[in-house]
Amino acid sequence: QITLTQQAESLWVSPGEKVSITCRASQSLRYTDGKHYLSWYQQRPGQRTKALIYHASIRTDGVPTRFIGSGSGTEFTLSIEDVQPEDIALYYCLQTLKKPWTFGGGTKLELK
Amino acid sequence: EVQLVESGGGLVQPGRSLKLSCVASGFTFNNYWMTWIRQAPGKGLEWVASITNTGSGTYYPDSVKGRFTISRDNAKSALYLQMNSLRSEDTATYYCTRDAVYYGLFDYWGQGVMVTVSS
Repeated sequence: QITLTQQAESLWVSPGEKVSITCRASQSLRYTDGKHYLSWYQQRPGQRTKALIYHASIRTDGVPTRFIGSGSGTEFTLSIEDVQPEDIALYYCLQTLKKPWTFGGGTKLELK
Repeated sequence: EVQLVESGGGLVQPGRSLKLSCVASGFTFNNYWMTWIRQAPGKGLEWVASITNTGSGTYYPDSVKGRFTISRDNAKSALYLQMNSLRSEDTATYYCTRDAVYYGLFDYWGQGVMVTVSS
């Protein structure tokens, strides 16, 4: 199975700063259609889990432009520019290239 | 507005069964694959089961294959997860999600329902 590694369990950030969360896959997540089957999710306490990014870099409807997905092959990054207090949450990457679908271990964004 | 509402969770003894339900609204249910995801207390997310939009295809990881069965009733816009031979490691919050399969994305999630397997 494909393993996704989110190296940082926690990241500390101040409002207004930029932060990057990385996700490394054990094999390339690029399919024959040229797209990468890597998505990002946000979990805030008491809120429904929210899909942020798919195909590595495309924001889902309504996601603020400060959320930026990038990367290719096996290395992916979710960057949040100008972090807002409501961005404090857990973030997970997910691969849907090959079953079993697998998630990264999660990165908790915390306020300094 | 897309809504996914799970029910059926609770406390169950090891080896027993439980059936979860999810009622969907706000979209054309029979156009979408659906997926169950779970999260053990304080742990990460784990894919549990997926079903095609017609119900003709189902998919499971090895950890639940042969014990869990996903099904749907498109007339009722309902998704189900029959869980048999439950183990303590199945203790988790179970989320019903809409599966935008062509985008490789679980684009809407329910609030989740807690299942506790304990004697």
